[in-house]
Formats: sequence, C-alpha cells, structure tokens
Amino acid sequence: GNSVTQMEGPVTLSEEAFLTINCTYTATGYPSLFWYVQYPGEGLQLLLKATKADDKGSNKGFEATYRKETTSFHLEKGSVQVSDSAVYFCALSDRGTNAGKSTFGDGTTLTVKP
Amino acid sequence: SAVISQKPSRDICQRGTSLTIQCQVDSQVTMMFWYRQQPGQSLTLIATANQGSEATYESGFVIDKFPISRPNLTFSTLTVSNMSPEDSSIYLCSVSDRAGNTIYFGEGSWLTVV
Repeated sequence: GNSVTQMEGPVTLSEEAFLTINCTYTATGYPSLFWYVQYPGEGLQLLLKATKADDKGSNKGFEATYRKETTSFHLEKGSVQVSDSAVYFCALSDRGTNAGKSTFGDGTTLTVKP
Repeated sequence: SAVISQKPSRDICQRGTSLTIQCQVDSQVTMMFWYRQQPGQSLTLIATANQGSEATYESGFVIDKFPISRPNLTFSTLTVSNMSPEDSSIYLCSVSDRAGNTIYFGEGSWLTVV
C-alpha cells in the first residue's frame, strides 16, 4: 500500500529562519503530491501540489519539488514568519482506478518564535 | 472545480447515540472519500463510497460502526454509530477530479462526544 513519511516534529524556528520539512513517500503507482497546512483550531487548507516528476509547487513563499528518483517532496521556505506556525501535512493521492484516494503523513508542527 | 458542503459543521453528541454526517457535492463524482482526524492526529481514510455499491472500508473501520450511504453521484452520508468519547474527531468528505490531480475537501464535521 501507499505510505507517506514526514520528518518528526515539532520544529521550532526563529523568525526569518530557513525551513525544510522532509517528506518521502511509497506508492504503487504515480501519485500526485500535496502539502496541506492546518492552523490551530481550523480546517485543512491546501498549501501547494505537484502532479508530475520535477514539477515544483509553490505558494505563499513555500516550495516543494516532486522528486520521483528519490520519492520525495520536501517543503521549503526561505524566511518563515510567526504566522506560519501551524501543522503541515504531506500527502499523496492515487491516480487511475482509485483517483483521489489520499494518504497522509503524520504531520509536522511548526512553531516560529519572534 | 468542486464545492463540497458538509453538515453538521459542529455538534456535541451524547455517548451511545449515533450521528449522520451529510456530504453534498456540486458536481457528479465517481468516488467520495471519508476521513477522520482525531485530536492532534493526521487524517485517516475511513472508507471509499461508490454510487451503486457498498463502501470499501479501510483496515480498522467496520460498516457496523461507520455505515455509509451513496444514493447518487453528488451525495453521501457517514453515520458514526454508538458513539464514545474516542469518536470525538473531525470527519471530512473528499472528492477529486477524474485524474486525481486536484483534491477537494469539505470543511469538516467537528464532533465532540460527551
């Protein structure tokens, strides 16, 4: 079956620091890859996605590149802000017969201190 | 694109009772997915609902506890039966485009069992 492994958290950074959250996956097919963010007390929001190898997803200063050869989709941001404090989930979605069936990583809690 | 409406958005339920969550999509979709997010945890797939057939449940989830209906291509319900405090979670409905490249989530149904 499919699986997603995220770097263990929590992660605590100072404002303007560089962020990397590692994500690797195992999939039987060729999935789409996603990063979601969940702010305290709120629902899940799509942060960015990539649907084929070497695609780079980006949004709000966050980036992630679909690396098929290393089965990875690491999330990066050059300069984090206090408002980026949230839980980040890496996920993959099947295509083909089970298109849309998603598998999530355990989530990484990011705290950014002023 | 697809817009998903979930009801109820929040509820406080008594132990031992059952609650049915509704998921309405503004377009026809083949598969609908139900997820659970327990407090402080990631999302876990409960089942996949196809119109005209029985839902397919993931390991650890059973039909007696989480019966699902899928009467047409735009609607599904998930019932949480005989609730206990451990069922306090966010329950989310999800659909995708045909290719599995774009995933849509409802706002979630936030259930607290007392």
